[in-house]
Amino acid sequence: QVQLVQSGAEVRKPGSSVNVSCKASGGSLNSYTISWVRQAPGQGLEWMGRIFPMIGVTNYAQKFQGRVTIIADKLTGSTYMELSGLRYEDTALYYCARPIPGSGSGGFDLWGQGTMVTVSS
Amino acid sequence: QPALTQPPSASGSPGQSVSISCTGGSSDVGAYNYVAWYQHHPGKAPKLIIYEVNKRPSGVPDRFSGSKSGSTASLTVSGLQAEDEADYYCSSYAGTNDYVFGTGTTVTVL
Repeated sequence: QVQLVQSGAEVRKPGSSVNVSCKASGGSLNSYTISWVRQAPGQGLEWMGRIFPMIGVTNYAQKFQGRVTIIADKLTGSTYMELSGLRYEDTALYYCARPIPGSGSGGFDLWGQGTMVTVSS
Repeated sequence: QPALTQPPSASGSPGQSVSISCTGGSSDVGAYNYVAWYQHHPGKAPKLIIYEVNKRPSGVPDRFSGSKSGSTASLTVSGLQAEDEADYYCSSYAGTNDYVFGTGTTVTVL
């Protein structure tokens, strides 16, 4: 059974960048898009962007345009989300997620365990 | 893309039904049948319980049902159980390769 396994917690200073990885374990996700979603403490879920690893096409939420970069490594089955220019309000739990098979835009049924990113001076 | 509007809280006694609304606009909920609902327990990854407005993933009990009218989608949980106590989020495809989530609703089982 495919699982999404994310990298561990990170602490960064304001203005710096963070790179979070998401690896497919037990299968390939190259034929699916992988989205990144975050949840700040006490806040709701927020979609950041996605990548189609097979062709490398990315889409980013307008809010994060210019600050987020999502890449994929087809050979290792990993995707990476880099967020630059970190601000205190970027402190959040970051998830990678895959849409339910057969419904590209219908909903995310497979999620990583989440990676806590803390921005602190 | 502003978040979809959900009531902050909802509650019901065991066995009762609770419904949660999710209001968007003509560019998201009203435009696409790509509304999903997630159940989220703190510290765990969100769980997809409804997709494409009213479809249930394998393993999700039929106590959970979804619907949509115009720009408002709804989730109904029937036969409320203690384990249904969680945060619930709606989401919608919003066109131009964009997605939007709802503000979230905390469901309390009395």
